[in-house]
Amino acid sequence: QITLKESGPTLVKPTQTLTLTCTFSGFSLRTNGVGVGWIRQPPGKALEWLALVYWDDDTRYGPSLKSRLTITKDTSKNQVVLTMTNLDPVDTATYYCARLYGSGNDWNWYFDLWGRGTLDTVSS
Amino acid sequence: QSVVTQPPSVSGAPGQRVTISCTGSSSNIGAGYDVHWYQQLPETAPQLLIYANNNRPSGVPARFSGSKSGSSASLAITGLQAEDEADYYCQSYDSSLSAWVFGGGTKLTVL
Repeated sequence: QITLKESGPTLVKPTQTLTLTCTFSGFSLRTNGVGVGWIRQPPGKALEWLALVYWDDDTRYGPSLKSRLTITKDTSKNQVVLTMTNLDPVDTATYYCARLYGSGNDWNWYFDLWGRGTLDTVSS
Repeated sequence: QSVVTQPPSVSGAPGQRVTISCTGSSSNIGAGYDVHWYQQLPETAPQLLIYANNNRPSGVPARFSGSKSGSSASLAITGLQAEDEADYYCQSYDSSLSAWVFGGGTKLTVL
């Protein structure tokens, strides 16, 4: 059974850095053709892809937040960590991690399994 | 605002057929990138519903189907049931943004 679970602080102050951890089981990030990504959803709004890391350590970032994000993986712990700097109240959202999976070119891959998400509020 | 557009809401009575459109452009759906669909039930995480335009993961009922033509894609739900009431998101890749992009989401109401 494949599971992903997000963890991190629920309340962060403006200008601080948010660190989120995705702990997964049932698959390995050593496996060719696998990635783990982060997607967020502000309350009542749409999904937004943020970042992803591949099995080969390659990383990709969404254009709107690229300068504020860093994604890393710890294969031995089955974890992926996302850090977001200089937080603002508009960053209040539920943050999901999800497995990116597919065949062929990665731009056609999809998020096949998701964690339950963690709601992070940015407020002073 | 997303580069792929969905209607904010659709509705239908139980047993009816509804479709949800996902309209893109030449840098995403029109460029040939696959479209995937996710269902988000109230207060839950999104779940993969359709992948690679028209494929259903194991466990997804055959009432759900996807199609793609040109710069647009559609999700069809036949035999509408109360438990289908949810938000639905399409997702593709955009080469101009070098990003995986989601549509704005469509809220399905079962009357």
